[in-house]
Amino acid sequence: SQTIHQWPATLVQPVGSPLSLECTVEGTSNPNLYWYRQAAGRGLQLLFYSVGIGQISSEVPQNLSASRPQDRQFILSSKKLLLSDSGFYLCAWSVGSRGAGEQYFGPGTRLTVT
Amino acid sequence: KNEVEQSPQNLTAQEGEFITINCSYSVGISALHWLQQHPGGGIVSLFMLSSGKKKHGRLIATINIQEKHSSLHITASHPRDSAVYICAAGGNQFYFGTGTSLTVIP
Repeated sequence: SQTIHQWPATLVQPVGSPLSLECTVEGTSNPNLYWYRQAAGRGLQLLFYSVGIGQISSEVPQNLSASRPQDRQFILSSKKLLLSDSGFYLCAWSVGSRGAGEQYFGPGTRLTVT
Repeated sequence: KNEVEQSPQNLTAQEGEFITINCSYSVGISALHWLQQHPGGGIVSLFMLSSGKKKHGRLIATINIQEKHSSLHITASHPRDSAVYICAAGGNQFYFGTGTSLTVIP
């Protein structure tokens, strides 16, 4: 069966510090991978989308970047965190065409930037 | 105006009531998704549909492509149904509604 892992579960970081969140998927090959952010009181926002190794689409200009060094590994990074980067970060995977494949979400990382 | 609008934003129901959450979208889609987010933050995909109607247990989702409208129904609601329900329009991009917070009171 397929499993998606995210870590860490919670993170408190000072403004200006770097960030690295990791997501790994098990039990499937060549998944579409997604990073979402949910800011307090707001809806989900798609940040990045990847259809394969090294292929990253950015949906929203921001202080963050993503990388996919392996088929089932997706990393969200920042060189210098801003207060506005606080939120709940979710990784998800799907198969099939973008938008039409059922999404499976990881447990999320709650990031607080102080 | 958001690409996906949900109503109501908040909903409180008595256990056993029939519940309807509505979603309207203004973009072209490949599929319409209904997601459930529990208080801890975890999200589960409930339905993905591109036409007609789907049913899982007490949950029913319908979509009207011409009217660009979808509904999520919960029959015989239970306190464990308390969660935020999110509608998402999936096409070339994903557009999410801001969610409907449902509280079912015993």
